[in-house]
Amino acid sequence: GESVGLHLPTLSVQEGDNSIINCAYSNSASDYFIWYKQESGKGPQFIIDIRSNMDKRQGQRVTVLLNKTVKHLSLQIAATQPGDSAVYFCAESLTGANSKLTFGKGITLSVRP
Amino acid sequence: DVKVTQSSRYLVKRTGEKVFLECVQDMDHENMFWYRQDPGLGLRLIYFSYDVKMKEKGDIPEGYSVSREKKERFSLILESASTNQTSMYLCASTVAGTGLYGEQYFGPGTRLTVT
Repeated sequence: GESVGLHLPTLSVQEGDNSIINCAYSNSASDYFIWYKQESGKGPQFIIDIRSNMDKRQGQRVTVLLNKTVKHLSLQIAATQPGDSAVYFCAESLTGANSKLTFGKGITLSVRP
Repeated sequence: DVKVTQSSRYLVKRTGEKVFLECVQDMDHENMFWYRQDPGLGLRLIYFSYDVKMKEKGDIPEGYSVSREKKERFSLILESASTNQTSMYLCASTVAGTGLYGEQYFGPGTRLTVT
C-alpha cells in the first residue's frame, strides 16, 4: 500500500543503471525463494522465483542470485526504468506440504529520472 | 489472468464493530491466505485455508477469524475491531498443485482504519 515503504531502507538508482536489491533470509533449510514487487496502492506481484538447487535464474530484465552459504538472495534489474520504482520483498519457504512463505520486510527502490 | 479481488479498498470502522473483509479469486485456487501489512513489519500471515471449510492459524490469528464456505471466497472477520487492527489487509491465493508455499497471487488490499 501507499505507506508500506515509509519505514523501509531505500535504494536510489539512476534511470538506465542496473539495480541490485539484496535480501538475507533466515532459515538455512529454506529451499524455495520468490521476489515480489509492490507498487504504491497495489498488492504484491510475483517477479521471479528460484529453488535451492540453482544459484542463478534469469527472467526478462531480472536475475535472481542465490548464495546458500551465507543465506543471501539478490535481485538484479537491468536498465532500471521509472516503472521499476516500488517496494521489493523476498520470500522464503520449505517445499513441504504444510510450509508457508515467510516474507522479508522489503526494500524501496526509487528510480531517479 | 488470475484475478483476486477484495470487497473494499478503504474501510473505516469504529472500535468494537464486527468487520468483514471479503476476498474472491477466479482461478479455482485451492489455497487462500489473509495477511496484514504494516510499515516496517512486512507481511504477516493471519489465517490460511487449503480447502473449503478448512482453515489454519497463521502467525498472528488473535482477534481474527475466517470463513471459507465456497472455494472461490475467503472471508476475514474481526469480531470486535480495535485500533491496533488498523492496517492494510491483503488476500492471496496459490496456483493449484504448488502447495502452500507456491507463487501467491495477491489482491489489491483493503486499508482498514479503526477509530
